[in-house]
Amino acid sequence: EAGVTQFPSHSVIEKGQTVTLRCDPISGHDNLYWYRRVMGKEIKFLLHFVKESKQDESGMPNNRFLAERTGGTYSTLKVQPAELEDSGVYFCASSRGGNQPQHFGDGTRLSIL
Amino acid sequence: AQRVTQPEKLLSVFKGAPVELKCNYSYSGSPELFWYVQYSRQRLQLLLRHISRESIKGFTADLNKGETSFHLKKPFAQEEDSAMYYCALRPPGGGNKLTFGTGTQLKVEL
Repeated sequence: EAGVTQFPSHSVIEKGQTVTLRCDPISGHDNLYWYRRVMGKEIKFLLHFVKESKQDESGMPNNRFLAERTGGTYSTLKVQPAELEDSGVYFCASSRGGNQPQHFGDGTRLSIL
Repeated sequence: AQRVTQPEKLLSVFKGAPVELKCNYSYSGSPELFWYVQYSRQRLQLLLRHISRESIKGFTADLNKGETSFHLKKPFAQEEDSAMYYCALRPPGGGNKLTFGTGTQLKVEL
């Protein structure tokens, strides 16, 4: 089966601009997660979708971040406007069931200049 | 609040030597613990989970509730074990939110 796919692999934008990251989960996986790793820190949970519904968005840093999963398939994570501290690697993961192992994508490296 | 601590940023061992990657956690309950690994130019992948009690690629990890630890061990390190290792915790009772440690870079030298 195809793995979790993330686009783009790397994005470089200026402070104040908008960026949209995309994640395509493994087919049939209802659960989709976003995480990010800021340089030097741990990988941190951002939010969890079950199909198109947000199950847990407790990790979203602020209202500049907007995640969607219309139709319960792929998901997007938009950062608007981007700030310097948003730089890091954004990972997406998916799982078939809520308690089953998560499969990760390659991540999107976001650099804010 | 739940927390995972991996005290070593870098662990360097010689091929054939034993390996122990340390992981301690804080959680008031019985969480599920995992080890994830990221090899060079590859994605993060699950190595093992404590409920499986299995050995993967020669690695084992025992959950010690008294010491709140989940150290990863391998008796004889191989060059291909060089990678970034992350310990992670998931609370029991629903929800699949993982809390990760900062990771340990394992370098196996010849």
